[in-house]
Amino acid sequence: GAGVSQTPSNKVTEKGKYVELRCDPISGHTALYWYRQSLGQGPEFLIYFQGTGAADDSGLPNDRFFAVRPEGSVSTLKIQRTERGDSAVYLCASGSGKGGYTFGSGTRLTVV
Amino acid sequence: AQKITQTQPGMFVQEKEAVTLDCTYDTSDQSYGLFWYKQPSSGEMIFLIYQGSYDEQNATEGRYSLNFQKARKSANLVISASQLGDSAMYFCAMREFEGGYNKLIFGAGTRLAVHP
Repeated sequence: GAGVSQTPSNKVTEKGKYVELRCDPISGHTALYWYRQSLGQGPEFLIYFQGTGAADDSGLPNDRFFAVRPEGSVSTLKIQRTERGDSAVYLCASGSGKGGYTFGSGTRLTVV
Repeated sequence: AQKITQTQPGMFVQEKEAVTLDCTYDTSDQSYGLFWYKQPSSGEMIFLIYQGSYDEQNATEGRYSLNFQKARKSANLVISASQLGDSAMYFCAMREFEGGYNKLIFGAGTRLAVHP
């Protein structure tokens, strides 16, 4: 596609439930990044994929968070046993590795 | 240690005037890149301008310019002739080149309000 697509745009879930957030990057972009942005703060790095493999997952806050990119294109961020503190906007970006990054519009996750 | 520092939580500017948004960074890498993004209330992150650590000239993109002072580790964004549509959050970010990683590290942002 022309841009980075993230679905759903909004997700409300109950505390303790499992959620999946999807990111469809720009076609041909090998690098894919997940960020979390809490209200009034800058995006916080979570994980970075180069192709199918996670090149850097140092930003994942704990083992409830997991992300995959099985075919090197679409990525899914998975959050188990959601907590109210997980409420944030989750941003995905893709890049060609040479320069810029294109961000999606984000998924606003609300845990009630 | 904080890698990107934006010390101005909020800034006000009159329409048609210029404004400078501050950014300082911390890295031990010799090769790095500095970015500025705009985030309007709609939430998307819009790329504005990029400066490489080895670029000798300050980057410019239309009304945006980056005042890069390498020795002081600062990369301030200058917006000339402010417009009402410039009201948004502005984020400074850095990419370090270490071990092939090229994630962006963001600052906390500056909220800019342009007044008519």
